[in-house]
Amino acid sequence: EADIYQTPRYLVIGTGKKITLECSQTMGHDKMYWYQQDPGMELHLIHYSYGVNSTEKGDLSSESTVSRIRTEHFPLTLESARPSHTSQYLCASSASGSMGNEQFFGPGTRLTVL
Amino acid sequence: QQQVKQSPQSLIVQKGGISIINCAYENTAFDYFPWYQQFPGKGPALLIAIRPDVSEKKEGRFTISFNKSAKQFSLHIMDSQPGDSATYFCAASVNQGGKLIFGQGTELSVKP
Repeated sequence: EADIYQTPRYLVIGTGKKITLECSQTMGHDKMYWYQQDPGMELHLIHYSYGVNSTEKGDLSSESTVSRIRTEHFPLTLESARPSHTSQYLCASSASGSMGNEQFFGPGTRLTVL
Repeated sequence: QQQVKQSPQSLIVQKGGISIINCAYENTAFDYFPWYQQFPGKGPALLIAIRPDVSEKKEGRFTISFNKSAKQFSLHIMDSQPGDSATYFCAASVNQGGKLIFGQGTELSVKP
């Protein structure tokens, strides 16, 4: 079992609310990622970070923002949630160097915006 | 556009049968090809991975076959079991440490 945690696991919230999805890992990995996944569908990379104070947008445009102040913590924030943000959000991490690119995933946060 | 195309979208196999899932890619710079397994309510987990310098890799009942000239790779699950029922994703990346590009996923159901 990978040591990567996401909270909350489920969130139902009204339109216009600000939300933060938490992601933490205890493996000391430099690289962290956020994916968006609709049920049974492919994973779309929305943000990634290769280290502290480093964040980049992924391949899928997203209105969310991320921060990486500590190695182990990579929160995702939506300033004003909308129904189109309803989805599952998966956080992952991986080591650098010769360990290859195995990404360890958290259990996900299922977000519903009413 | 870096893409990885996966098929079939869904697959039903009898217990003990062979499950085969295929992926094709376009970017010849890809050099790392993992398969991930995802159970409902869980995040994906790495199942097996291959690099382009070998044509096949086997781990237990799971085998990746890789055809560099055709730019295709596939996952074979031998002696499929009901516990293998899950969604499987192929992926690819450049320089191993690069971003993963995922396929569309295959929902496998193994019937008892």
